[in-house]
Amino acid sequence: DSGVTQTPKHLITATGQRVTLRCSPRSGDLSVYWYQQSLDQGLQFLIQYYNGEERAKGNILERFSAQQFPDLHSELNLSSLELGDSALYFCASSVVSGANSPLHFGNGTRLTVT
Amino acid sequence: AQRVTQPEKLLSVFKGAPVELKCNYSYSGSPELFWYVQYSRQRLQLLLRHISRESIKGFTADLNKGETSFHLKKPFAQEEDSAMYYCALISGGSYIPTFGRGTSLIVHP
Repeated sequence: DSGVTQTPKHLITATGQRVTLRCSPRSGDLSVYWYQQSLDQGLQFLIQYYNGEERAKGNILERFSAQQFPDLHSELNLSSLELGDSALYFCASSVVSGANSPLHFGNGTRLTVT
Repeated sequence: AQRVTQPEKLLSVFKGAPVELKCNYSYSGSPELFWYVQYSRQRLQLLLRHISRESIKGFTADLNKGETSFHLKKPFAQEEDSAMYYCALISGGSYIPTFGRGTSLIVHP
């Protein structure tokens, strides 16, 4: 499957801990997006990278950080976790950044903070 | 600020009935609008975009700038249309899609 791959699928951790979510974009895609989906919430944009550089920032908390590596995979780091951080975290990729470049989504990582 | 509103969390219809999933947006410029769909146990995927003016799986959506709407329609719903549908907006130079909260469509046999 050459689509967007996210690992792990599920993550259960305690408050105060730190976790790393990983995303491998679709082959050939240079742009990676991270979204958070909490209960009853839509997809909230967190951050975008394009070819290794941060391109846009959304409602991302200071406790969260991300990066895109030279091989284009991306990691989202969540630290000092709180119960409210429990959510589904989606990664998406696109060829470039633009309206004519639709997003291709991964299956998401479900984070549960206890 | 741009915003996408999908007023219905759940829409339940019977097979063969017409379906309309509502999407309203707030943005002062010229938006690019999309519908994404997530079928059970599958990933979120693009269904259609207004610039293509296409019909996918029998679904169409027309951009109405006067009413700032982009409703998704299908004349005869099928059971396999049951899914979560998200409306999304791209505006200006940001190219970051803003999503609505989604509408769950259930088509009963």
